[in-house]
Amino acid sequence: NAGVTQTPKFRVLKTGQSMTLLCAQDMNHEYMYWYRQDPGMGLRLIHYSVGEGTTAKGEVPDGYNVSRLKKQNFLLGLESAAPSQTSVYFCASSYPGRDWNTEAFFGQGTRLTVV
Amino acid sequence: AQKITQTQPGMFVQEKEAVTLDCTYDTSDQSYGLFWYKQPSSGEMIFLIYQGSYDEQNATEGRYSLNFQKARKSANLVISASQLGDSAMYFCAMREKADRGSTLGRLYFGRGTQLTVWP
Repeated sequence: NAGVTQTPKFRVLKTGQSMTLLCAQDMNHEYMYWYRQDPGMGLRLIHYSVGEGTTAKGEVPDGYNVSRLKKQNFLLGLESAAPSQTSVYFCASSYPGRDWNTEAFFGQGTRLTVV
Repeated sequence: AQKITQTQPGMFVQEKEAVTLDCTYDTSDQSYGLFWYKQPSSGEMIFLIYQGSYDEQNATEGRYSLNFQKARKSANLVISASQLGDSAMYFCAMREKADRGSTLGRLYFGRGTQLTVWP
């Protein structure tokens, strides 16, 4: 089983360039998340989705956009990359479950550097 | 205000000893779930253990147990008989049931605790 797959794994961007990170899951999960991880800051939620066609802002949404056109895919876009967006990005997915007891499954991460 | 607080940036423990990693959380909901994840130096996120807010028993999974104190809003992870392979970053996380649409489904993480196990 592939689980959660992120593409690409590494990327270097120049300031002002745009790019899209792709997250794909094959577990038929309803919920999908995009996080960024920075040293000393833990994982901070950028955007998330509770179902196909729906998205919501997380804790640090500025400078990012997302789309969930298909249930299995969750795209994270950077329209005009800035050095402050240098980070490791994680995608995760989960099934809502009863009593909110379902863990989130994570992709392997994307290391993005903006120069 | 932070939803999840991990006050120990780093912890050290000798091999075969037990260690407790602290986690406190902030919620006004009655229904929520608490999770612990491990992130080794290779970077992947590994789910360790879950505790539901209505669970009367503390969760256990092998050498991992969760010391859940609901009134104090704490969910500490206890690792017994530490091994060198336990050296990693550990994250506490919470999902609220939150039926209010603006936060439905959010999964919050703390800043993590770097655990080092020495021989």
